[in-house]
Amino acid sequence: EVQLVESGGGLVQPGRSLRLSCAASGFTFDNYAMHWVRQAPGKGLEWVSGIDWNSGNTDYADSVKGRFTISRDNARNSLYLQMNSLRAEDTALYYCAKGWAHFYRYYCVDVWGRGTTVTVSS
Amino acid sequence: EIVLTQSPGTLSLSPGERATLSCRASLSISSIYLAWYQQKPGQAPRLLIYGASSRATGIPDRFSGSGSGTDFTLTISGLESEDSAVYYCQQYGGSHITFGQGTRLEIK
Repeated sequence: EVQLVESGGGLVQPGRSLRLSCAASGFTFDNYAMHWVRQAPGKGLEWVSGIDWNSGNTDYADSVKGRFTISRDNARNSLYLQMNSLRAEDTALYYCAKGWAHFYRYYCVDVWGRGTTVTVSS
Repeated sequence: EIVLTQSPGTLSLSPGERATLSCRASLSISSIYLAWYQQKPGQAPRLLIYGASSRATGIPDRFSGSGSGTDFTLTISGLESEDSAVYYCQQYGGSHITFGQGTRLEIK
């Protein structure tokens, strides 16, 4: 069974940093692109970032570009999101999600984790 | 960035009826780059439809997708109480992945 388990969320002050992790199991992790998608309280889904199977390409939503960095460790079957200069508007449930194929572009997301909550507040 | 607009915002129907959910794109997209997801309260989204009309694994054939260009539709026939959820369309052919704002489906 494919499983994605996020961790690392919590309460953080504006301007500080946080690193999210996602542990993957049940599939060949290094064959697939991965994504982070977030959902603010009571709001819809917002794609945050994507990374190809071999970290060759990454991309970010304009709202986080220059502040967030996505990375992966295929040897550890893990995905990460380094979040710097956090803002109140980054408060959300952050989902780790598996891409359909090698590349994050041109393929949908097919499996989602349960998410980890990030709250940015003083 | 391609903007997806979903309508209606909320749909309230009875069991057994048919639901028709719309997703309109700000630019024409290839149908192979359009997906639909279902999200129930307190749960992660679940992939229903990809490539505009292909059902994901395990999705009942009551769910069907159609459309092309800028107009796409998710149809749910023979509604059941378990279909109560928020439904999102997603495009993955543009420079960035984007989602619609969602349609809430309530089963009376």
